[in-house]
Amino acid sequence: SYELTQPPSLSVSPGQTARITCSGDKLPKQYTYWYQQKPGQAPVEVIYKDTERPSGIPERFSGSSSGTTVTLTIRGVQAEDEADYYCQSSDNSGTYVIFGGGTKLTVL
Amino acid sequence: VQLEESGGGLVEPGGSLRLSCAASGFIFSNYAMNWVRQAPGRGLEWVACISSRGSYTYYADHADSMRGRFTISRDNAENSLFLQINRLRADDTAVYYCTRDPGFQFNSPHMDVWGQGTTVTVSS
Repeated sequence: SYELTQPPSLSVSPGQTARITCSGDKLPKQYTYWYQQKPGQAPVEVIYKDTERPSGIPERFSGSSSGTTVTLTIRGVQAEDEADYYCQSSDNSGTYVIFGGGTKLTVL
Repeated sequence: VQLEESGGGLVEPGGSLRLSCAASGFIFSNYAMNWVRQAPGRGLEWVACISSRGSYTYYADHADSMRGRFTISRDNAENSLFLQINRLRADDTAVYYCTRDPGFQFNSPHMDVWGQGTTVTVSS
């Protein structure tokens, strides 16, 4: 079955740049989306269509794509960015949704 | 724009449950909708999707543990989404989220609005 692979965890100091990767062999053919989930809360979409940022999401969040890997970049990480981050894409037909396993971002 | 789930609770293994999601603040009939679940301490897992008019439904039934037990439906007149779960198992214990999907019609499903979730606990 199709899988999206993320690193389980990442630690950065405040003010540094966090880069969270997501790999999958169908990613060149389908858009990727990113969600932020803080403890006890529902997920929030922070990037759509690989690189677009929804209104209300800080500019320090950005997305990029290269081949079978997409990256969520958070520049100038703040304490409030500590959360779990999930990538999401779909199969070639665009009907079945797949999530990555999630990356726990810790702000030191 | 708001989604509010209900219907969760404690159920014995083998039982059934019907989850509901009330939508408000947008034209419900214009959007596909999904159910996504999250087991305690685990990641997000897509469960099912239904097209805007209810004509098409898709399930994560490639997973043996889920095959044939879930039914997604909607009532556009009542701005409501439903998930029927039968033959409940302990590994169905999770928070179940209702989500809005603006990308399904473009073959790129994703979730721009999430409810707060309803908790299902399967235990004897």
